[in-house]
Amino acid sequence: ETGVTQSPTHLIKTRGQQVTLRCSSQSGHNTVSWYQQALGQGPQFIFQYYREEENGRGNFPPRFSGLQFPNYSSELNVNALELDDSALYLCASSAGLGVKPQHFGDGTRLSIL
Amino acid sequence: EDKVVQSPLSLVVHEGDTVTLNCSYEVTNFRSLLWYKQEKKAPTFLFMLTSSGIEKKSGRLSSILDKKELFSILNITATQTGDSAIYLCAVLLNTDKLIFGTGTRLQVFP
Repeated sequence: ETGVTQSPTHLIKTRGQQVTLRCSSQSGHNTVSWYQQALGQGPQFIFQYYREEENGRGNFPPRFSGLQFPNYSSELNVNALELDDSALYLCASSAGLGVKPQHFGDGTRLSIL
Repeated sequence: EDKVVQSPLSLVVHEGDTVTLNCSYEVTNFRSLLWYKQEKKAPTFLFMLTSSGIEKKSGRLSSILDKKELFSILNITATQTGDSAIYLCAVLLNTDKLIFGTGTRLQVFP
């Protein structure tokens, strides 16, 4: 069984640039959630996708957007990068909505200079 | 505002000690509570608790939920250096949103 994989593992960008992060969900999982984890903090919910539709969003501005594809992989796009966007971005997948545990990938470490 | 609070923030113990990690929550639309272990990158799933008073166990780890008092504890007995990690508590809402606490950093020394 393949777990959740994310790419790239590390990324360095400058303020104002745009970035796309990618996530392949675990086999059999149709739900993907994205989280931002700043240093020393717990992950913060960005948004969730279920069967290619957005199913909830956290307190993040519209410059954070996403997609889910028919194979249930997903992308997180961030426009107009700011210094505070520097964080570990985690993707988690689960086997549907409801009481199902989310399983995380190793994340993408994004640094903004 | 929904919130999850973990304590202590940090814990340093010696191998063989028993530790108890605490998680309290104030949320609307509670569905379940989850514990994760984060060593370097990916949080790894430990437990999901939905019902009060039913202990879940996995080896030296165990956890229980009290939905009346709105808290959960995670116990680790006979700690080992491999238990050193950040332990994250999260509440799953009915909206399928996970709210995380800040985590407890556990360091186990030989």
